[in-house]
Amino acid sequence: NAGVTQTPKFQVLKTGQSMTLQCAQDMNHNSMYWYRQDPGMGLRLIYYSASEGTTDKGEVPNGYNVSRLNKREFSLRLESAAPSQTSVYFCASRGQLNTEAFFGQGTRLTVV
Amino acid sequence: EDKVVQSPLSLVVHEGDTVTLNCSYEVTNFRSLLWYKQEKKAPTFLFMLTSSGIEKKSGRLSSILDKKELSSILNITATQTGDSAIYLCAAALGSGAGSYQLTFGKGTKLSVIP
Repeated sequence: NAGVTQTPKFQVLKTGQSMTLQCAQDMNHNSMYWYRQDPGMGLRLIYYSASEGTTDKGEVPNGYNVSRLNKREFSLRLESAAPSQTSVYFCASRGQLNTEAFFGQGTRLTVV
Repeated sequence: EDKVVQSPLSLVVHEGDTVTLNCSYEVTNFRSLLWYKQEKKAPTFLFMLTSSGIEKKSGRLSSILDKKELSSILNITATQTGDSAIYLCAAALGSGAGSYQLTFGKGTKLSVIP
């Protein structure tokens, strides 16, 4: 099983450019998450989707949009990238009730 | 505002030492607490705790939850250099039938030196 797949693995953007980070899971999980990880800051929740058709803001949603395209896919969009969005982005998914979350391998994004 | 706090933020020990990592939480609609280990890339799952006072063990690692104190500890005995990593704890929050939001602490960076 592939688990959680994120694309791309690396990306360099210029300030003001837009891009979409893709995430897909093959575990039939209901909940999906986008986090960013900066040095010394742990994982900060950007957006999450408790189930297909719903999305909610997390701790740091400004500058991002998400789409839960279907049960498998949850994408994160940067409309106008800023240097402050330079980070490692992780997608995760989780089954219902009390189960562990599975993480993708991350996307290292640099905005110059 | 939901908050998960880990301490210490970093720790350096010698091989063979025993370490205790702390996690406290102040959140609404708490469902469970999860521990992860992060080496170079994605976090990998260690434990999930839902009930107070019941220890979970896996080899040299163990963890316990104290719901009265809103905290959890992760113990690692006889540390090895391979234990060097960032250890993350997360509170799972939710309402109704499910637990949805996962809020992480900043992590504890553990370095084990030979």
